Amino acid sequence: KAGVTQTPRYLIKTRGQQVTLSCSPISGHRSVSWYQQTPGQGLQFLFEYFSETQRNKGNFPGRFSGRQFSNSRSEMNVSTLELGDSALYLCASSLKMNSGNTIYFGEGSWLTVV
Amino acid sequence: GIQVEQSPPDLILQEGANSTLRCNFSDSVNNLQWFHQNPWGQLINLFYIPSGTKQNGRLSATTVATERYSLLYISSSQTTDSGVYFCAPTSDTDKLIFGTGTRLQVFP
Repeated sequence: KAGVTQTPRYLIKTRGQQVTLSCSPISGHRSVSWYQQTPGQGLQFLFEYFSETQRNKGNFPGRFSGRQFSNSRSEMNVSTLELGDSALYLCASSLKMNSGNTIYFGEGSWLTVV
Repeated sequence: GIQVEQSPPDLILQEGANSTLRCNFSDSVNNLQWFHQNPWGQLINLFYIPSGTKQNGRLSATTVATERYSLLYISSSQTTDSGVYFCAPTSDTDKLIFGTGTRLQVFP
């Protein structure tokens, strides 16, 4: 079966713009989470969604938001982009929450803010 | 929150060598996963191992939850093993807490 799919894979945006990233989880998986990876801060948790509800949120400003749809697909949005938002954004899916499932990652979306 | 320490930070090996990567965590966890990040950025799940030992080919992992550490063993290294290895425990949700990783370079 298909893995976690993230789109777009690469994008370049200008400071002040906004961006939306999309994630389609593995079929049947209902839990989706997002991570940001930068050289300076490493891998940091952004949010976690289950059944269209945000269950957990990391320590990021309100410019970072997300949502999950009824088909478990998820999107994250970053508004008013800053240079420091340049990063690899990774989406992960698992079967359900809090049950110790194996977590699978997509290939990521590389965002460059200029 | 849980703190995760990985060692060594960097490892350079010749093909065929064996290695052990260590992950220490500061609090009790209900899950721990090992990932390999390939040069293109994708995180590949190697093991889901909250406790005990598992083996998958040349790789094996052991977690001793009571002593708060996990080990990843790589035997007979190949150049394709190069990349960054992360351990990531979780506590009461699926939120992964990543260490800073071990960067492995395997040369022919």
